[in-house]
Amino acid sequence: DTGVSQNPRHKITKRGQNVTFRCDPISEHNRLYWYRQTLGQGPEFLTYFQNEAQLEKSRLLSDRFSAERPKGSFSTLEIQRTEQGDSAMYLCASSLALTGYGNTIYFGEGSWLTVV
Amino acid sequence: AQRVTQPEKLLSVFKGAPVELKCNYSYSGSPELFWYVQYSRQRLQLLLRHISRESIKGFTADLNKGETSFHLKKPFAQEEDSAMYYCALSGHQAGTALIFGKGTTLSVSS
Repeated sequence: DTGVSQNPRHKITKRGQNVTFRCDPISEHNRLYWYRQTLGQGPEFLTYFQNEAQLEKSRLLSDRFSAERPKGSFSTLEIQRTEQGDSAMYLCASSLALTGYGNTIYFGEGSWLTVV
Repeated sequence: AQRVTQPEKLLSVFKGAPVELKCNYSYSGSPELFWYVQYSRQRLQLLLRHISRESIKGFTADLNKGETSFHLKKPFAQEEDSAMYYCALSGHQAGTALIFGKGTTLSVSS
């Protein structure tokens, strides 16, 4: 297993276009997370899934953002009508949810989005 | 509100010098604290967690609930320690999303 995989790694798009990112988590992991990171900032939580259920969404996730995990495996993050402020690194992560403590979250390499 | 504060954006030390990367948190409850590291051109990866009470690559971190701190320490810095370090917090329930600080860049020079 090569870890969390994200595609595409880089995307340049014109303002107003839609973009979609894909994340393939570690195979046995039931939780999947999306984060956004801009220069000089730590990763900011966007949303997470347990299996196919989206359990939490940050207020950062505007109506233009939608995430899905239809079969509880891979996930997609779509941004509609992109704006320049959406330019960032989009990070996906996964974990195996256990009871109590001890849950390690593993990150992908991220997908860079540049909106011009 | 949940918050993680890393007061230093950049910490520059010489090889062999002690290192302390500061982290303070705000959380109403029993958090789990982590340090993540990102080396140049690599993905973000877990360095250590307070639950494990272990030393990884010579780094240790102790959770101080009274001071709400989780500082990362290493007695003798190495050049290969140069990286971006993020402190992160999670709620007590397994799988709760991590809240990250803004990160501290550690630069170790010879």
